[in-house]
Formats: sequence, C-alpha cells, structure tokens
Amino acid sequence: DAKTTQPPSMDCAEGRAANLPCNHSTISGNEYVYWYRQIHSQGPQYIIHGLKNNETNEMASLIITEDRKSSTLILPHATLRDTAVYYCIVEQTGANNLFFGTGTRLTVIP
Amino acid sequence: DAEITQSPRHKITETGRQVTLACHQTWNHNNMFWYRQDLGHGLRLIHYSYGVQDTNKGEVSDGYSVSRSNTEDLPLTLESAASSQTSVYFCASSEDSSYNEQFFGPGTRLTVL
Repeated sequence: DAKTTQPPSMDCAEGRAANLPCNHSTISGNEYVYWYRQIHSQGPQYIIHGLKNNETNEMASLIITEDRKSSTLILPHATLRDTAVYYCIVEQTGANNLFFGTGTRLTVIP
Repeated sequence: DAEITQSPRHKITETGRQVTLACHQTWNHNNMFWYRQDLGHGLRLIHYSYGVQDTNKGEVSDGYSVSRSNTEDLPLTLESAASSQTSVYFCASSEDSSYNEQFFGPGTRLTVL
C-alpha cells in the first residue's frame, strides 16, 4: 500500500530550483524517507534519504518537516537532464523493501 | 568499475514457454531484487534475496521464481509465460547497511505473445 502522496506532474524552468513535495502523514518513527528518480527507459537511481534532519548531497537537498508528515526534494538548479519521474518512498530501516508508487513526472523546460 | 547487468535487454516469447532473465552484479552485494514496471503501476517487487540460498516473495510473485546459488547472480524464471507478464523487468542490488540504496540494472523488456 502506498504510504506517500505526490503530485502526478510538475514543470520547472531550466536553471531554477525544482521543489518536489511529498506527503507521508502515516510515517512511523523508524521509517526513512527516500527519493529515487527514473529517467526515461532507464533503471531508477537513488538520490537521497533522511530520517529527521534535513539532508544535502551533490544531487539534491531533502527538507523534512518537524512532524515528519511531509518532505520536499529540492534540485537547486534544474537542468534538462533532470527531466524524470521522481519517487518518494517511505521505508522501515532494514526492511530492504521499497514501494515505488507512481511518482511525480518532472519536466524541465528550456 | 562495479556494475549490475541484465540480459537479454529485449525478449519476445510465446505464451506457455519458460523464460529466464539474467541479472549479474559485481559489487558483491548480498541483497538482490527483481521488479516489474507496467504503465500506471510504478515498480512492483517480484522476488528478493538477502544472500546465497535465500529467496523471498514480493508483492507480485505468482508465476515467477528465483534462485540464488552465488552472490553475483539472481536469475528470474517465468515458468509458463503469460501475456499478463509482458512488462519491463528491473533487477537491483544493495549492500547490507542501515539504509537502503539500491542500484538498478538497465532493464529487460519482455513481450509475451
């Protein structure tokens, strides 16, 4: 069963920040938030994950609200190559099972 | 460089035939997974393995089987292919750790006629 809710699609202008929201109101205390993306016809690619604190890596930033019921993935300077389907996943640590859902299709516009 | 490969990349078969899709990873990961992806469903977990001789059923395991005789390979077998199994199949692997970063293969597009 889906534990997350994401908008089906979003557009973003090239060079601008892309902010992808995700609701996970039933998240449990030991469940992580993961983000993956899938560029057309390729296998999914891990982006970032977090538990409570905001996280940043070379690809993106993850902002998790204090109550942990929602999060936002931020791509600081979107490029055309960031056009993909982005999946927000809630997963219990150590469970090793990812439920992908249908994600958000992000289109970066020139 | 370490990688995960799938073969064949494209396969056309007939209903009732046995089909095996190969997955090979060189990261020495203990955990391996098979997913299928259909329009409107995202990725759905078929089977997974946490190590040699270990296999587990996922969300959509009916009609599929896997075996894990070594760390590097997790072949997926369709015992008697059905048209409903026409899909894109992705293999993934991950290491034993406190978080779940899975590395995915390029996928196999299977058509069952």
